[in-house]
Amino acid sequence: EAQVTQNPRYLITVTGKKLTVTCSQNMNHEYMSWYRQDPGLGLRQIYYSMNVEVTDKGDVPEGYKVSRKEKRNFPLILESPSPNQTSLYFCASSQGSASGDQETQYFGPGTRLLVL
Amino acid sequence: QKEVEQDPGPLSVPEGAIVSLNCTYSNSAFQYFMWYRQYSRKGPELLMYTYSSGNKEDGRFTAQVDKSSKYISLFIRDSQPSDSATYLCAMVKAGRRALTFGSGTRLQVQP
Repeated sequence: EAQVTQNPRYLITVTGKKLTVTCSQNMNHEYMSWYRQDPGLGLRQIYYSMNVEVTDKGDVPEGYKVSRKEKRNFPLILESPSPNQTSLYFCASSQGSASGDQETQYFGPGTRLLVL
Repeated sequence: QKEVEQDPGPLSVPEGAIVSLNCTYSNSAFQYFMWYRQYSRKGPELLMYTYSSGNKEDGRFTAQVDKSSKYISLFIRDSQPSDSATYLCAMVKAGRRALTFGSGTRLQVQP
């Protein structure tokens, strides 16, 4: 089954304790991205990756890091989490195309993070 | 000011009603328009995708884009309780892949 998986689904942590949220897709997609979803603000892009070893900032990258060492995985790293990073996080992937036309982005089930 | 504005609702309608969901945007660089549906505790799933002005129909769903007015709509005919979800509009600028989302409209279809 084609899917995007995220782990953990729920996480409670304390300020300053480094954490990683994993994202994996089994569709051989080139493009992957991370979003956060907050009430009244919708989904906002944190980081994205066009391919292995190619990453770039989205709209709200402060306080986050990413890496893309393998095509299927795109972990989100919070080196020193703060309470304002409490949010619902989604990973997404899409095939990518040379023409730049938009294609379907598949979203993971989400990771709910609470930073105390 | 947000680039994409969407009424958060909630919108409550009786089963069988026609639902109209709308978004406005301010940046004419947006060229691709999508509607996503998000059920509670789930990730968004793509419903409709269009890149031109006019209407696109898929079953009970019709997406409408008016680039001159910077306004997009999603119509749901014969609404069902299973349509109860949050509907998110999203747009992409030409040559980019980043989605810019509206804040979402929560829809409740009453049986």
